[in-house]
Amino acid sequence: GAGVSQTPSNKVTEKGKYVELRCDPISGHTALYWYRQSLGQGPEFLIYFQGTGAADDSGLPNDRFFAVRPEGSVSTLKIQRTERGDSAVYLCASSFDGGYGYTFGSGTRLTVV
Amino acid sequence: QQQVKQSPQSLIVQKGGISIINCAYENTAFDYFPWYQQFPGKGPALLIAIRPDVSEKKEGRFTISFNKSAKQFSLHIMDSQPGDSATYFCAASKIAAGNKLTFGGGTRVLVKP
Repeated sequence: GAGVSQTPSNKVTEKGKYVELRCDPISGHTALYWYRQSLGQGPEFLIYFQGTGAADDSGLPNDRFFAVRPEGSVSTLKIQRTERGDSAVYLCASSFDGGYGYTFGSGTRLTVV
Repeated sequence: QQQVKQSPQSLIVQKGGISIINCAYENTAFDYFPWYQQFPGKGPALLIAIRPDVSEKKEGRFTISFNKSAKQFSLHIMDSQPGDSATYFCAASKIAAGNKLTFGGGTRVLVKP
């Protein structure tokens, strides 16, 4: 596609449930990033993939968060046992090779009630 | 640790005026400094970026000024237009470390007609 696609655009879940957020990057982009943006704040880095492997997962807040990119294209961010503090907009971005200027998707707004 | 500090948090400017947003960073290893523009419900979009080997970069109405010794950089929006009303984020990264961005807290700009 022309841009980075994220689905769903909105997700409401109950505390304790499991959720999956999907990111479809720009075709041919080898680098993929996940960020989390809380209300009124700048995005915070979560994890970075180069191809299929997680090159840097230092931003994942705890072991309830996990992300995969099995074929080097689509990525899924998985959150187990969701907590109200997980409520935020989860942004995905991709770039050709991890170099300058990557493109963000519109995000998934996650609300944990 | 907030490695990129951004000010002001918000500003109001008249149409045709100049908007100035400032950022300061701590990590001297950073070598890439982009500015992103974000509209409500959308992901951040790259506006303009600079490397530390130059002191200024201009693209249309947008100019970045960079002061390496002071570890500061700023965005100037000339001839501000109502369509420029958005939230602006500065960011910094080390390209060789995967280009994961550290964002400032954002500045909400309102341009009055």
